[in-house]
Amino acid sequence: QVQLVQSGAEVKKPGASVKVSCKASGYTFTSYGISWVRQAPGQGLEWMGWISAYNGNTNYAQKLQGRVTMTTDTSTSTAYMELRSLRSDDTAVYYCARVGGYQLLRFDYWGQGTLVTVSS
Amino acid sequence: QTVVTQEPSLTVSPGGTVTLTCASSTGAVTSGYYPNWFQQKPGQAPRALIYSTSNKHSWTPARFSGSLLGGKAALTLSGVQPEDEAEYYCLLYYGGARVFGGGTKLTVL
Repeated sequence: QVQLVQSGAEVKKPGASVKVSCKASGYTFTSYGISWVRQAPGQGLEWMGWISAYNGNTNYAQKLQGRVTMTTDTSTSTAYMELRSLRSDDTAVYYCARVGGYQLLRFDYWGQGTLVTVSS
Repeated sequence: QTVVTQEPSLTVSPGGTVTLTCASSTGAVTSGYYPNWFQQKPGQAPRALIYSTSNKHSWTPARFSGSLLGGKAALTLSGVQPEDEAEYYCLLYYGGARVFGGGTKLTVL
């Protein structure tokens, strides 16, 4: 069965970086992409970007350009999302989701989420 | 900045039918926006329900259907169950970027 298992909660200081992992199993990793979505406390979902596990192509949300990097390690079927220069408004639950189909527009399986808290 | 608008809240009676909509600030939503719909219950990760306007996943209950309605993407629940009480989000494609709607809180009462 398809599973996406994310790394554990993180507490970071403003200005620091965080790297969240998303380990995939139960499918051919390179046949899909991974999208990252975050949700601030009590707020809605925000799309952050995607990465193709096939060729490493990425597409990031404009507001995060320059601060976010998404990568994959095909040897371990793991996707990573690194966010730099953290601010308090980056405090959120970060989710990975498998995406496939045309332009990687078909969302299906989701990870359990990783809480990132940014606080001095 | 592109804005995707959903009804903030809707209430439906058990067994009833309700339609949630998803509008784009850029104009009419078409199939080229590849609408996705998600359900999220408190404390849980989102669950995908619909992709590419009207396609269901293998786990999507038959009472959920997606369509285009009056220039918007729409999610219709027919024969609503108490367990359908949740937040629902749509996602639209903008030639690279994807944008979520603000969500609709559906109350079953």
